[in-house]
Amino acid sequence: EVQLVESGGDLVQPGGSLTLSCVVSGFTVGTTYMSWVRQAPGKGPEWVSVLYSGGGTYYADSVKGRFNISRDSRKNTLYLQLNGLRVEDTAVYYCARGGIPGFPFDSWGQGTLVTVSS
Amino acid sequence: DIQMTQSPSTLSASVGDRVTITCRASQSIGTWLAWYQQKPGKAPNLLIYQASTLESGVPSRFSGSGSGTDFTLTISSLQPEDFATYYCQQYNSFPFLTFGGGSKVEIK
Repeated sequence: EVQLVESGGDLVQPGGSLTLSCVVSGFTVGTTYMSWVRQAPGKGPEWVSVLYSGGGTYYADSVKGRFNISRDSRKNTLYLQLNGLRVEDTAVYYCARGGIPGFPFDSWGQGTLVTVSS
Repeated sequence: DIQMTQSPSTLSASVGDRVTITCRASQSIGTWLAWYQQKPGKAPNLLIYQASTLESGVPSRFSGSGSGTDFTLTISSLQPEDFATYYCQQYNSFPFLTFGGGSKVEIK
């Protein structure tokens, strides 16, 4: 059974940092495309970042230079490091399989809430 | 970036109704279009991909059509568990994969 479980969300002040984790079971993160997608309160989902099986990474313009996606294949875990957090980064962050042309998001975690506020 | 526009933003319907939601892309995306269902407090769930292919386990009352810039999600006979918000998403333009603004299906 495919399962994705996020953790690490918290209340943080503007300018702060946080690391989100997504533990995966049922498939290997290192052999597929994995993304982070966020959803601000009352808004539609927004793609944030993707990590290719080959190691390539891409980011939405809104987070480029501040967020970093990575994985630990031994732990079968995906990470998202969030730096320089802004109020507008407040959202539920989901990890999801997919995120490149030809591959929709076919499996999602339950999400973890990041709140940026002073 | 490709913009995705959904209509209506809110729809009131009754159990048994036929429901249609439309999604328009700002430029052609072929058939690289997915539909998701989201219920409150839950993650989006993939219903349809490549515009018209039903994801495994999704009831056959859901169907999708379209290509290029205009797409449609149809629920042939609305069931109580179908009241939710529906999002379209294009996965043609990389790396900026964009979602529509959502269409909420409410109980009439």
